[in-house]
Amino acid sequence: DVKVTQSSRYLVKRTGEKVFLECVQDMDHENMFWYRQDPGLGLRLIYFSYDVKMKEKGDIPEGYSVSREKKERFSLILESASTNQTSMYLCASSPGTPQNTGELFFGEGSRLTVL
Amino acid sequence: DQQVKQNSPSLSVQEGRISILNCDYTNSMFDYFLWYKKYPAEGPTFLISISSIKDKNEDGRFTVFLNKSAKHLSLHIVPSQPGDSAVYFCAASYPGGGADGLTFGKGTHLIIQP
Repeated sequence: DVKVTQSSRYLVKRTGEKVFLECVQDMDHENMFWYRQDPGLGLRLIYFSYDVKMKEKGDIPEGYSVSREKKERFSLILESASTNQTSMYLCASSPGTPQNTGELFFGEGSRLTVL
Repeated sequence: DQQVKQNSPSLSVQEGRISILNCDYTNSMFDYFLWYKKYPAEGPTFLISISSIKDKNEDGRFTVFLNKSAKHLSLHIVPSQPGDSAVYFCAASYPGGGADGLTFGKGTHLIIQP
């Protein structure tokens, strides 16, 4: 089974702090993603990566950056956390083509609260 | 502009009856559609999918119907069970697989009442 592991299930940070959210997948997937989920807004794509050291902006990249130094690891960085970044953050991965059917494999999520 | 729409934020269904969750999309370039189920404090889990070349896909109690001309899909759960209570997300991807991710709807909170 594909396993996507997010390092922290729950975090509480203060406004202005730098926050790192780590994600590791064990299925040698090429593609990795960061989404955030907010009530009434669904899942919104922040950033994604289709290869090591490659990154692409999603729909809501402002206030975030990412790092992918190794194929299995994709980090989301909040340079200066703000209260409107309080959310559930979801990491996902998927294989490259031709194996890719569009299905994403999600981690369990990281609930971030910014005070 | 929202390309995948789930217009019902919540749906309440009695246990044993049929649950029907609806989803509309606007982009005719989407060629693959998926449903995900999400419990609180957990990540979404894949439920069922359908390719645009089909109009129906069935897996146990779950059936997804696709009407391409109407740009509409629906998820049927029969019979509904208490464990089905969750948020359901409709998602769509472009041809070539989801290298750039999926486009999700806002979700429908399904509540199964005993």
